[in-house]
Amino acid sequence: AQKVTQAQTEISVVEKEDVTLDCVYETRDTTYYLFWYKQPPSGELVFLIRRNSFDEQNEISGRYSWNFQKSTSSFNFTITASQVVDSAVYFCALSDNRGNKLTFGTGTQLKVEL
Amino acid sequence: GAGVSQSPSNKVTEKGKDVELRCDPISGHTALYWYRQSLGQGLEFLIYFQGNSAPDKSGLPSDRFSAERTGGSVSTLTIQRTQQEDSAVYLCASSLSPSGYNEQFFGPGTRLTVL
Repeated sequence: AQKVTQAQTEISVVEKEDVTLDCVYETRDTTYYLFWYKQPPSGELVFLIRRNSFDEQNEISGRYSWNFQKSTSSFNFTITASQVVDSAVYFCALSDNRGNKLTFGTGTQLKVEL
Repeated sequence: GAGVSQSPSNKVTEKGKDVELRCDPISGHTALYWYRQSLGQGLEFLIYFQGNSAPDKSGLPSDRFSAERTGGSVSTLTIQRTQQEDSAVYLCASSLSPSGYNEQFFGPGTRLTVL
């Protein structure tokens, strides 16, 4: 069975601080995909990034960066110089190769204050 | 282009009534998913449709829940004899094809309140 754990329930930071959201996953599959989604107060889940199990290259996109480490089954997400608009719930999710469903973590509520 | 749409956006019903929730996926997307988001359970998978294949119903919590997808496009999730524990936001998502690689695009959800 697949499992995603987001141990951080809520994080509060002051604007311009860097913040890292943790995600740990469990799967027996050798091919799988990891995702981060953002759910702003409006409620709609927005796709941020995907990584496949064979691609451990970390990536930076603007203020966002991701750190995927198979050795520790972690897929962490960092926001640099956080802004108030980053306030949202962030979900880490896992899919197998068949794509029949996403298994979500419980989400991390990020609050960025002035 | 148009995203995933869901209707109604809010639904309030009395315990024991049946409800129908509708989802319009992105045009051309062959895979369609229903999830439920509630305070106690987080985001849970309910059911998955792919083309004309038999749906994966493994996430449906009881036989009061059913769903269909007509013509490979619009889907309806039906909850019969609603209970208070059915109160949640029901999210629909679609993806280009049923590969784990493809991201799922989510609709705005239907907030169901059972009184």
